[in-house]
Amino acid sequence: RKEVEQDPGPFNVPEGATVAFNCTYSNSASQSFFWYRQDCRKEPKLLMSVYSSGNEDGRFTAQLNRASQYISLLIRDSKLSDSATYLCVVNRNSGYALNFGKGTSLLVTP
Amino acid sequence: DAGVTQSPTHLIKTRGQHVTLRCSPISGHKSVSWYQQVLGQGPQFIFQYYEKEERGRGNFPDRFSARQFPNYSSELNVNALLLGDSALYLCASSLGVGGIGNIQYFGAGTRLSVL
Repeated sequence: RKEVEQDPGPFNVPEGATVAFNCTYSNSASQSFFWYRQDCRKEPKLLMSVYSSGNEDGRFTAQLNRASQYISLLIRDSKLSDSATYLCVVNRNSGYALNFGKGTSLLVTP
Repeated sequence: DAGVTQSPTHLIKTRGQHVTLRCSPISGHKSVSWYQQVLGQGPQFIFQYYEKEERGRGNFPDRFSARQFPNYSSELNVNALLLGDSALYLCASSLGVGGIGNIQYFGAGTRLSVL
């Protein structure tokens, strides 16, 4: 079983739609959780950290369920500029590695 | 402030050759990590260095090696290149290791093609 699993998509949604991405991780000792965004042929960029209580940054909401080892990202009011690959990322607090999922591709259409 | 810088941006090599990739972290960051990303996959961890010491190694063969210099810059070396080494090599820097210090910021990467 891969350490971090995501639905690869692609997700094709119209502008203004709400879209949700899900991710599961296998290592129950994982301590830190992130969503990164990667545009085509570019480097990953940190979108947001994910905290146990859930957190929101504008149109983006991230949730963590440690019992189910499940992370989610909700994007409200999708913009064309949200089109990208979203990477679910988990690491252990020892800091040795970021474990990435394969990414979920999102295309927002006019 | 400058972000993470990597050089070269693109590289073409032939099988069996050696390659050295370079990375300069964000000023003030003491940790550098290296990742390999092949098309259609997420980045895979290769090495992490902190204060010039190796702090972690991923599941890569011994042909891959790295080091960190006193100024916290880093090199990734790959010997005896194989076709399967063709990938985007990403360097990430962070303040430290563990917790909030491990939020990693990526450079634009070096795209390596092995022919």
